[in-house]
Amino acid sequence: EVLLLESGGGLVLPGGSLRLSCAASGFTFSSYPMNWVRQAPGKGLEWVSSIGSGGTTTYYADSVKGRFTASRDNSKNTLYLQMNSLRAEDTATYYCARAVRPSDYWGQGTLVTVSS
Amino acid sequence: DIQMTQSPSSLSASVGDRVTITCRASQGISNYLAWFQQRPGKAPKSLIYGASSLQSGVPSRFSGSGSGTDFTLTISSLQPEDFATYYCQQYDTYPLTFGGGTKVGIK
Repeated sequence: EVLLLESGGGLVLPGGSLRLSCAASGFTFSSYPMNWVRQAPGKGLEWVSSIGSGGTTTYYADSVKGRFTASRDNSKNTLYLQMNSLRAEDTATYYCARAVRPSDYWGQGTLVTVSS
Repeated sequence: DIQMTQSPSSLSASVGDRVTITCRASQGISNYLAWFQQRPGKAPKSLIYGASSLQSGVPSRFSGSGSGTDFTLTISSLQPEDFATYYCQQYDTYPLTFGGGTKVGIK
């Protein structure tokens, strides 16, 4: 069974940093690209980032480019999202998803709140 | 960026109704179109990819069609568990973009 479990969310001050993790199981993690997608409270879905299976190829939404960095440790079956210079508008539930057709399995999400 | 426009933004329907949601892309995306279902408080669930292919385990009452710029999601006979919000997404070009969502409520 494919499972994706996000962690690392919480309350952070504007300008602060946070690192999200997504632990994968039930499939050969190193063979699949992965996505990060977020959803602000009461709003729609917004794609954040994609990373290739080897971790060398990454794509970002303009809204996070230069502030967020996606990475992965295939030996630990874990995907990461390093978020720096956080803003109030980054407040959202962050989901990781396996990037197949185009996101076939999703985690349950982790909430990030940016507030003073 | 490719803009995805869904309509309607919300609708009310009864169990057993046929429901159709449309999604329009601001430029051609071939068939690189996916549909997702999201129930309140839950993660999105993939329904359809390639505009018309059902993900494994998705009931056959869901179907998708279209190519280029105009797409539709149809639920042939609405079931109680189908009351949710539905999103389309294009994956032809980065940045990947979602439609604004269609909330299907109970009439």
